[in-house]
Amino acid sequence: SQKIEQNSEALNIQEGKTATLTCNYTNYSPAYLQWYRQDPGRGPVFLLLIRENEKEKRKERLKVTFDTTLKQSLFHITASQPADSATYLCALPRGKLIFGQGTELSVKP
Amino acid sequence: DADVTQTPRNRITKTGKRIMLECSQTKGHDRMYWYRQDPGLGLRLIYYSFDVKDINKGEISDGYSVSRQAQAKFSLSLESAIPNQTALYFCATSGFGTSGRETQYFGPGTRLLVL
Repeated sequence: SQKIEQNSEALNIQEGKTATLTCNYTNYSPAYLQWYRQDPGRGPVFLLLIRENEKEKRKERLKVTFDTTLKQSLFHITASQPADSATYLCALPRGKLIFGQGTELSVKP
Repeated sequence: DADVTQTPRNRITKTGKRIMLECSQTKGHDRMYWYRQDPGLGLRLIYYSFDVKDINKGEISDGYSVSRQAQAKFSLSLESAIPNQTALYFCATSGFGTSGRETQYFGPGTRLLVL
């Protein structure tokens, strides 16, 4: 069956640095991939969608890449800020959206 | 007004009680979902519904039931609550938009404590 893996270890970085989060998947080829942000105690919020024929997508300080050969998406936050601290989840369609476990990002001032 | 609302936002109940969590959405979507989230863990799908006449079990449906009363309403019931059902519960709805790609919209969550 399909599997989505995100780094379960929290990522701690210094303000101003670039944060890079990874989403790996196996056993199928999704037509697109999404990233969501979840703050503690709140529901996830959609951030970005990237299609299989797109190598890279940008939105302000966010950049997502999608390598269908490696079966991997990278999510970058440039010039990170403490307000970017949250858990970030990737999601892929498989009849319905399937979510990864999420990676917690902590940006220290 | 929020697109997806959940009531109650917080609930304390006792073991063995039946409780219902309610969800309403104003986005006009057909698909609705119930998830639970435990501290430090990801979302786990309890039930989902692709339209009013369609109900499907998720990965952890035991001990739960649902009712899709209308396109906009999807309720989750705990028939006989037990302490390990203490968790944060999220309702979500999804639509396909003009791109044809599914995007989910989540409610604010219901924090449930079973004593």
